This record gives sequence, structure tokens and C-alpha cells, in this order.
Amino acid sequence: EEQLLESGGGLVQPGGSLTLSCSASGFTFSSYAMSWVRQAPGKGLEWVSAISGSGGSTFYADSVKGRFTISRDNSKNTLYLRMNSLRVEDTATYFCAKQGYLKDAFDLWGQGTLVTVSS
Amino acid sequence: DIQMTQSPSSLSASVGDRVSITCRASQSISSYLIWYQQKPGKAPKLLIYAASTLHSGVPSRFSGSGSGTDFTLTINTLQPEDFAIYYCQHTYNIPFTFGGGTKVEIK
Repeated sequence: EEQLLESGGGLVQPGGSLTLSCSASGFTFSSYAMSWVRQAPGKGLEWVSAISGSGGSTFYADSVKGRFTISRDNSKNTLYLRMNSLRVEDTATYFCAKQGYLKDAFDLWGQGTLVTVSS
Repeated sequence: DIQMTQSPSSLSASVGDRVSITCRASQSISSYLIWYQQKPGKAPKLLIYAASTLHSGVPSRFSGSGSGTDFTLTINTLQPEDFAIYYCQHTYNIPFTFGGGTKVEIK
């Protein structure tokens, strides 16, 4: 069974850093691009970042560019999101998602991990 | 960046009703349009990709149509488990923008 499991969320002060992890199982991880999507409390979905299957190409939303870094370790079937210079407005549940071959649709999602940025 | 506008933002309907949700892109996205369903406290689930293709396991009462800039998600014979928030998303280019969501509530 295909599965994604995020971890690493928590409470952090403004200006602080946090690294999220997403552990994948049940599919050939290195064959698929992956994305991070976030959802602020009571709000809609916001695409944050994406990475190619090899890890050679990375993409970011303007709202996080220069502060967040996406990476992956295909030997460990794990996706990461390093978040620096965190702001109150980064408070959200962060989901990792697998991009399928068909129009890059996000066909598998993790359960999400909550990041709270507050003093 | 391509903007995605959904309407309505919410609607009330009864079990058995037919409902339609519209998603408009700020420029042509061909058929790079995806629909997701999200229930409270849960991750989104893929419903439809390529504007009109039903994802595996999704009931046939869901359908999608459109191309270019205007798209529609239709739910025929609304079931109790369909009350949720629905999002459209384009995957035409980066950034993969989502629409603001449409909440389908019980009348």
C-alpha cells in the first residue's frame, strides 16, 4: 500500500528553523516528483515547493523562496523541507504529496504535520 | 502566475441533489486541471485529473469538464459522504496554484 508519513512539526519562535520529513513507502520513491503543500488554520491549500524524482530540480512558491529548501534522499525514501527564518504566517499544516505521471496530479498525500510559529 | 478562481465559495444542497462547482483560470491551462476533495481534519484526496478523468476508485457520480480557462466539477445524486470542501488546482506550470475552495454543506 502506498503511504506517506510526515513528521517534524511543532512550535517554533519567529525567526527560527524547522525541518520536516516525509517518509514514503509502497512505491518506487525515486521515480516520482514530490511536493509540499500547506494549509493555514481554516484556510485553503497553498502549494509550497516541488522536487524532481532525481532531486536535480527544485521549485518554490514566491512566499517561501530563499527561506525554505526542499530535498530528498532516495536511498531512504524520504522527502525533506528545511524551513528557515520562519514567520507567523508560515503557521500551517504541511502536507507532502506524490505527483503522479498524469498531468502531475497529486495522487497520494500524507496526513500532514502542524507547524506553529509563535512567540 | 496563473490564478484559479472557484465559485461559489460555498453552497447548501440536499442528499440526492445535483451540484456544480466552477473553476476559472486566469489564462489557458489546456486540460491541466485537477479536482480534490477534503474533509475536516483530513488530507485532500484526488478526484479528477486532466480536467475530466476520474481517479481510480472515485464514484462515477463525480464528473469533470472543460478546457482552456473554464472548468466544472459536477456531483450527481449527492451522497452524505460528499459533504466536504472541493479544490481545483492547475499543474500547467510552476507555481501549481489552487483555487480558494468550495464548501458543500447540508441544507
